[in-house]
Amino acid sequence: QLQLQESGPGLVKPPETLSLTCSVSGGSIINTIYYWGWIRQSPGKGLEWIGNIYYSGSTYYNPSLKSRVTISVDTSKNQFSLKLSSVTAADTAVYYCVRQVGNKEFDYWGRGALVTVSS
Amino acid sequence: EIVLTQSPATLSLSPGERATLSCRASQSVTSYLAWYQQKPGQAPRLLIHDASDRATGIPARFSGSGFGTDFTLTISRLEPEDFAIYFCQHRTTFGPGTKVDIK
Repeated sequence: QLQLQESGPGLVKPPETLSLTCSVSGGSIINTIYYWGWIRQSPGKGLEWIGNIYYSGSTYYNPSLKSRVTISVDTSKNQFSLKLSSVTAADTAVYYCVRQVGNKEFDYWGRGALVTVSS
Repeated sequence: EIVLTQSPATLSLSPGERATLSCRASQSVTSYLAWYQQKPGQAPRLLIHDASDRATGIPARFSGSGFGTDFTLTISRLEPEDFAIYFCQHRTTFGPGTKVDIK
């Protein structure tokens, strides 16, 4: 059974960089069908797609966050990572790592990591 | 950019009742629409993909229908564990959600 697990600091000071890693177990990131990505959910709010990466390293970002986002992949560790720079309180959210089937549904989700931005 | 609208925002029903949730797209998404269930403190769970295909392990009381711009998620008989928030999704866009709560 595929499992995704987020890890990283739960508290980030503005305007530093938020960094999270997603470890994938039970299956390989190297797969021609799937994209690997990040989605966030602010307290009491909806779901916001941040970006995706293909195992080859091709990336796709939400235009509203593109200038601050970097997603990378480490196939040797079966992990992918998120960096979000110049954070503000508005970036406080639960961050989920996900697997997307092509450009369709998100079929596997991590449990989520709450990241609070505060000085 | 496609916008997804869900209605109603809140649906108050009793266990055993039928729930009908709507998702409308601002332009055609053909059949590329998915539905998710989210309970407090948990990640969303995929229920339906390609408008009407149940994901692995999802009970038969959940069904999806629609094509183009209008889609429906139906829960035939609500179980206590079904009271949650439901989101629709197309590509990288999510709807705002419908909360199904106990009447």
